[in-house]
Amino acid sequence: DAGITQSPRHKVTETGTPVTLRCHQTENHRYMYWYRQDPGHGLRLIHYSYGVKDTDKGEVSDGYSVSRSKTEDFLLTLESATSSQTSVYFCAISAGQNNEQFFGPGTRLTVL
Amino acid sequence: QQQVKQSPQSLIVQKGGIPIINCAYENTAFDYFPWYQQFPGKGPALLIAIRPDVSEKKEGRFTISFNKSAKQFSLHIMDSQPGDSATYFCAASHGGATNKLIFGTGTLLAVQP
Repeated sequence: DAGITQSPRHKVTETGTPVTLRCHQTENHRYMYWYRQDPGHGLRLIHYSYGVKDTDKGEVSDGYSVSRSKTEDFLLTLESATSSQTSVYFCAISAGQNNEQFFGPGTRLTVL
Repeated sequence: QQQVKQSPQSLIVQKGGIPIINCAYENTAFDYFPWYQQFPGKGPALLIAIRPDVSEKKEGRFTISFNKSAKQFSLHIMDSQPGDSATYFCAASHGGATNKLIFGTGTLLAVQP
């Protein structure tokens, strides 16, 4: 898992509540990413970070915000969760000669 | 819009067969093409990747074939085993430090004993 942990691993919440997912890495990688995985869509990039306090939007960023105050932690926040945000969320880091991406174990989020 | 199209959606082969999964891309600026393997309940794992300066790359039983003019690439699994049963995703990116991946929609492979 390239030293990547995600928490929580499972969460059930209600529409309108705020939710924060955490990605933690232990190997000091500069680049970190958040993806969501949905049937029929593969994985889609939500946001990514290229350093502490440096983040940018991905393909499906609406309704999500991120923060990176430390190299090892990348947080994904749903300010007001909606049912359309029910998904499996994966964090990834970029490493290696070709900037290969390695994924964490995922967080399954259900918004009722 | 979907920039990477993957087919088939699902595939069943017998043990020892050679499943082939195909992907097509639109953006000619893509220059990095990885394949990921995902087991249920796990994160995607990088399997093999290719850049457009070569037409084929092999790693163990896994081979990527790349056709730059057709903007297509495919994954072949030689001597497939039941343990290869998983979902496979192709992806593409512009490479570089940012390396934002665009994924295909996935192929569910079942290898029957």
